[in-house]
Amino acid sequence: QTVVTQEASFSVSPGGTVTLTCALRSGSVSSNNYPSWYQQTPGQTPRTLIFNTTARSSGVPDRFSGSILGNKAALTITGAQAGDESHYYCALYFSSAIWVFGGGTKLTVL
Amino acid sequence: QVQLVESGGGVALPGGSLRLSCAASGFTFNISGMHWARQAPGRGLEWVAHIRFEGYNKYYADSVKGRFTISRDNAKNTVYLHLSSLRPEDTAVYYCAKNWFHGFVYGGQGTQVTVSS
Repeated sequence: QTVVTQEASFSVSPGGTVTLTCALRSGSVSSNNYPSWYQQTPGQTPRTLIFNTTARSSGVPDRFSGSILGNKAALTITGAQAGDESHYYCALYFSSAIWVFGGGTKLTVL
Repeated sequence: QVQLVESGGGVALPGGSLRLSCAASGFTFNISGMHWARQAPGRGLEWVAHIRFEGYNKYYADSVKGRFTISRDNAKNTVYLHLSSLRPEDTAVYYCAKNWFHGFVYGGQGTQVTVSS
């Protein structure tokens, strides 16, 4: 069974920078997994932030960026704002045509 | 702008069935792969199923394989998810999403499925 792991929670100060990661319990994440990132506040539909590792979705500010860091996918938020407080999920694609979401990171801005 | 309207959710008995629908607009549906994903109460997102643009190739998460069936009608710009042999753990909000570079573009509010006796 493929397991995708994310930090359960993270805190960042307003104006600060935070990097959330998305890893495989076994193996490395690469661009071939087409990592994507989603922001979701409770009770709301997820919003796509990043697709295809680094591409920002339409309307997403450039404070949000995606990358591969070592053997993980990463989402970096710079200049954190109160409105960034949310849950963040990554998703990975596997060539057997399955997709797996990570468990999500709850980001607190304080 | 991608717009997706999910419907068909409700309360079902364990072992029962439901059919979810997702009406799409704002993009060229007949060349787009589509997904269903779900979110159980207080839990994270889970991918459920994918159907390619032509409607023949379909893929499922292990948790629903053999019980759920994804289909589409390109003439109606609609994707469906037939849920059968329902279990309490299938209780969730179900979202459809457009496939984009192997990611998910959501556009609706989801539809609630509750499996309970």
